[in-house]
Amino acid sequence: SQQGEEDPQALSIQEGENATMNCSYKTSINNLQWYRQNSGRGLVHLILIRSNEREKHSGRLRVTLDTSKKSSSLLITASRAADTASYFCATARNTGFQKLVFGTGTRLLVSP
Amino acid sequence: GAVVSQHPSWVICKSGTSVKIECRSLDFQATTMFWYRQFPKQSLMLMATSNEGSKATYEQGVEKDKFLINHASLTLSTLTVTSAHPEDSSFYICSACAGTGGAYEQYFGPGTRLTVT
Repeated sequence: SQQGEEDPQALSIQEGENATMNCSYKTSINNLQWYRQNSGRGLVHLILIRSNEREKHSGRLRVTLDTSKKSSSLLITASRAADTASYFCATARNTGFQKLVFGTGTRLLVSP
Repeated sequence: GAVVSQHPSWVICKSGTSVKIECRSLDFQATTMFWYRQFPKQSLMLMATSNEGSKATYEQGVEKDKFLINHASLTLSTLTVTSAHPEDSSFYICSACAGTGGAYEQYFGPGTRLTVT
């Protein structure tokens, strides 16, 4: 399987704390994307980082990419209860209309 | 903008019947749509790539005769699960691509939960 792996599988923190999720993948990529999924819902695109980028920020999100290690991390700072969701990384090998390979996901629970 | 809808949001059917799921891009045209399935507490697995005006491209291990895909227009793709069985029960999610040049962003529908009894 080409599916990426994420760790931890589940993460439970308190509001205000930071949450870090890691993603490892197996093939060379054009870009890596992070998505969020609330229970039983579709996916929401959070951030995209290209293979020639090392770090990207968007609001409380910080994403890093290390292509030599084929890994990425998503940091959510000052977490809120509303951040409770599953988070998936997805890799795309090519430009253009891309087939995405999703990681196994991290279930984040943020307690008030 | 970039909204994708799916219909129905959930469906229960009996074994042996067929179910059609629609995926629409509401405010943009999508020449390419993707269909995924997701089992409980698992990740999304790509089933097929749907291209407007041509045959879908199926991933390895996905039966094209069981999961019929029709991309009839630039805003509509349908997935028909034929002769459904309980093991087809899953969450089916579509996505549609929008963008020009470079990396394209996929917009995901809200998903359709299929339960086959």
